[in-house]
Amino acid sequence: GAVVSQHPSWVICKSGTSVKIECRSLDFQATTMFWYRQFPKKSLMLMATSNEGSKATYEQGVEKDKFLINHASLTLSTLTVTSAHPEDSSFYICSARDPAGVGETQYFGPGTRLLVL
Amino acid sequence: QKEVEQDPGPLSVPEGAIVSLNCTYSNSAFQYFMWYRQYSRKGPELLMYTYSSGNKEDGRFTAQVDKSSKYISLFIRDSQPSDSATYLCGGATNKLIFGTGTLLAVQP
Repeated sequence: GAVVSQHPSWVICKSGTSVKIECRSLDFQATTMFWYRQFPKKSLMLMATSNEGSKATYEQGVEKDKFLINHASLTLSTLTVTSAHPEDSSFYICSARDPAGVGETQYFGPGTRLLVL
Repeated sequence: QKEVEQDPGPLSVPEGAIVSLNCTYSNSAFQYFMWYRQYSRKGPELLMYTYSSGNKEDGRFTAQVDKSSKYISLFIRDSQPSDSATYLCGGATNKLIFGTGTLLAVQP
């Protein structure tokens, strides 16, 4: 299947700082990428849909000013957690829709574990 | 009501057993259905997808969809310890909605 990478794989930061997470589709161009958040032993919660060249669409309850998403190219989307707080500590996973795939087939990155102290 | 319901488990089976994982959904607009496998601290891996009622087989895995009863199943034959993971079912319109995932443990 298609390959999606994420960087960094884990990050520890101080409260109040901003953290940027990158999501790249390595062998296909993705006009649409998705950002999820996952708490321990919980399912994936969709945060936002990232469309190349346009503003992201955020799910209800997700603060767009806190979780900044930029999808500047067909292979890269970034999520910036601004003014991070301990409650933002979580596992963040991106996915990319493969335009050559069937329907809504999404390929996921390996995830980024964020710990805010 | 959640759009996709899934028993979180855990489900423990002996090696070689047939595993049945099930989900129900409420959104009639779902056009595609998928199963993902997620190992601990990793991103989900696409196992199977289908877009119609019936069965789809891939090796030891069989995905089944019954749109009339809004029921999704994944069967794993000859289960192996390496199959131990969380299995997520999902339905999709223009976005993918996941169930909570079922934690499966295959005991050697």
